[in-house]
Amino acid sequence: QKEVEQNSGPLSVPEGAIASLNCTYSDRGSQSFFWYRQYSGKSPELIMFIYSNGDKEDGRFTAQLNKASQYVSLLIRDSQPSDSATYLCAVNGLTGGFKTIFGAGTRLFVKA
Amino acid sequence: GAVVSQHPSRVICKSGTSVKIECRSLDFQATTMFWYRQFPKQSLMLMATSNEGSKATYEQGVEKDKFLINHASLTLSTLTVTSAHPEDSSFYICSARITTGLYNEQFFGPGTRLTVL
Repeated sequence: QKEVEQNSGPLSVPEGAIASLNCTYSDRGSQSFFWYRQYSGKSPELIMFIYSNGDKEDGRFTAQLNKASQYVSLLIRDSQPSDSATYLCAVNGLTGGFKTIFGAGTRLFVKA
Repeated sequence: GAVVSQHPSRVICKSGTSVKIECRSLDFQATTMFWYRQFPKQSLMLMATSNEGSKATYEQGVEKDKFLINHASLTLSTLTVTSAHPEDSSFYICSARITTGLYNEQFFGPGTRLTVL
């Protein structure tokens, strides 16, 4: 089992719709959870982080964390073509000395 | 967010030469930096963890004698690809970690695209 799992996609949504990206992790001791966006040929950019169970909203982005289910998600409201990118889920915890483990990423396409 | 720079952004070199890539944290001190490699359409692969003032910790399968890492200060880490070969052509990305209390955030540099002819 991979430590951080994401559906590779591609996930295709129409412009204006809600894009839902999901991630599961195996280490119950994980404490910090991150979502990065990576455009083709560019390095990852941190867009959201969440530490506590529940929802965290920032503009059009909402991160959701459920530690009991070891599940973290990212919702993108009013999706725009410029949101088309690969979204990386990352998890950080005690295992490995607070090493951040990245998922393989989900490719998102927002169709105009 | 915090700013991490990398230099150069792109390098083309001949097989057998060595290439040095610099990673700097511009507005914060980073005791820990990470070096990743990413091949086209693949995920990030952690190569090594660099701690200021100590030897880097390499991931399994990464040759420490080929990928030399130096973290001489709290704002600078360097990766030297020694005797580069075409199979070393990749996108190399550094990342610096900020620790706030119990939590860590990682910020990435813009990456260095290495092409070995």
